[in-house]
Amino acid sequence: EPEVTQTPSHQVTQMGQEVILRCVPISNHLYFYWYRQILGQKVEFLVSFYNNEISEKSEIFDDQFSVERPDGSNFTLKIRSTKLEDSAMYFCASGLAGETQYFGPGTRLLVL
Amino acid sequence: AQSVTQPDIHITVSEGASLELRCNYSYGATPYLFWYVQSPGQGLQLLLKYFSGDTLVQGIKGFEAEFKRSQSSFNLRKPSVHWSDAAEYFCAVLTGGGNKLTFGTGTQLKVEL
Repeated sequence: EPEVTQTPSHQVTQMGQEVILRCVPISNHLYFYWYRQILGQKVEFLVSFYNNEISEKSEIFDDQFSVERPDGSNFTLKIRSTKLEDSAMYFCASGLAGETQYFGPGTRLLVL
Repeated sequence: AQSVTQPDIHITVSEGASLELRCNYSYGATPYLFWYVQSPGQGLQLLLKYFSGDTLVQGIKGFEAEFKRSQSSFNLRKPSVHWSDAAEYFCAVLTGGGNKLTFGTGTQLKVEL
């Protein structure tokens, strides 16, 4: 059964550094998403991406964040200058028809 | 604003006992509703979904959920819990024009042997 994969599984970075989180969505899916879950809190929507552009973003997704689908298979989330409060589990998801979303295993980001 | 409430933060059941996890939603239109499960160190796995039609939906691992519009609820049930069901369960509603999932805070299920 096809799955969403994410790399790395864990990332530790220093405050102010740039990080890129990578995702390989399910191959025939057209809709792509990033969510995050701060430890002990609920899963929060960050951004959705369709037809090579952002279709919706939350207030969390400020200018420090960007997404890209560089090569037709990967879907990346970049945080330009990380802050302590960016420490969280980041989940990538994909969907075929924009309704049912299938999640990857997540990347745990720790900002020191 | 759209929201999802899971009133029970923790639930403990004995193996073999029945389970019901509560979920209430607030959403103006006809909701698209989901239950996901997160095992320790794992991602979110889709258990089941409701879009329309029969209000009792079947999912994987023997789970089912019933949509009750009058109560704005979408409770998850399982007749007989297995130890491997211990995990965190999230209810979610599709919002934002179909672009994003709004999640509840989750219910942590512990299964006693």
